[in-house]
Amino acid sequence: AQSVTQPDIHITVSEGASLELRCNYSYGATPYLFWYVQSPGQGLQLLLKYFSGDTLVQGIKGFEAEFKRSQSSFNLRKPSVHWSDAAEYFCAVGGNYKLSFGAGTTVTVRA
Amino acid sequence: DARVTQTPRHKVTEMGQEVTMRCQPILGHNTVFWYRQTMMQGLELLAYFRNRAPLDDSGMPKDRFSAEMPDATLATLKIQPSEPRDSAVYFCASGSRLQNTEAFFGQGTRLTVV
Repeated sequence: AQSVTQPDIHITVSEGASLELRCNYSYGATPYLFWYVQSPGQGLQLLLKYFSGDTLVQGIKGFEAEFKRSQSSFNLRKPSVHWSDAAEYFCAVGGNYKLSFGAGTTVTVRA
Repeated sequence: DARVTQTPRHKVTEMGQEVTMRCQPILGHNTVFWYRQTMMQGLELLAYFRNRAPLDDSGMPKDRFSAEMPDATLATLKIQPSEPRDSAVYFCASGSRLQNTEAFFGQGTRLTVV
């Protein structure tokens, strides 16, 4: 069975500070991994994805994520957050014809 | 600009009434997902289709929920009869390849059952 754990329910970060969101997955084969962002009242937008190859992937809006097979992790990072990055972030794992999401991490950005 | 279109965006209905939510996937996408989002349960996969055939609907309460794809441009999710616990945001998403493509999400239907 595939599953995703996002250990942090809520993170508050100052504008301009760095951000890291944690994601751990469980999947029996090579995973396909995704990070999505959801702004209030909106659908989910893809930030980045990992299928194979370079374990450090770049996404939109200045985000990047690193796949670490040994740790079953796919953490999302941004060096300097902007107020517009306040949103909910979801990690997802795909495979077996399914896309399974974590519970999400809400990011609050303070001035 | 290709996008997944969901209608209605908001729906308020009385308990016991039938509710139908519609989704138009991105043209050319052959996979359609239905998700339900609540504060308590987060994002739950209800059902998904490939080439209009249901592959898995195990996440869906069978007694009241049904999902269909009458044609490649329309997916429907129906609740009959609706109950207050069905209040949630229902998302449709589509993709072009099952295993390794991202899902493109619609803006959701916010359902309130009173």
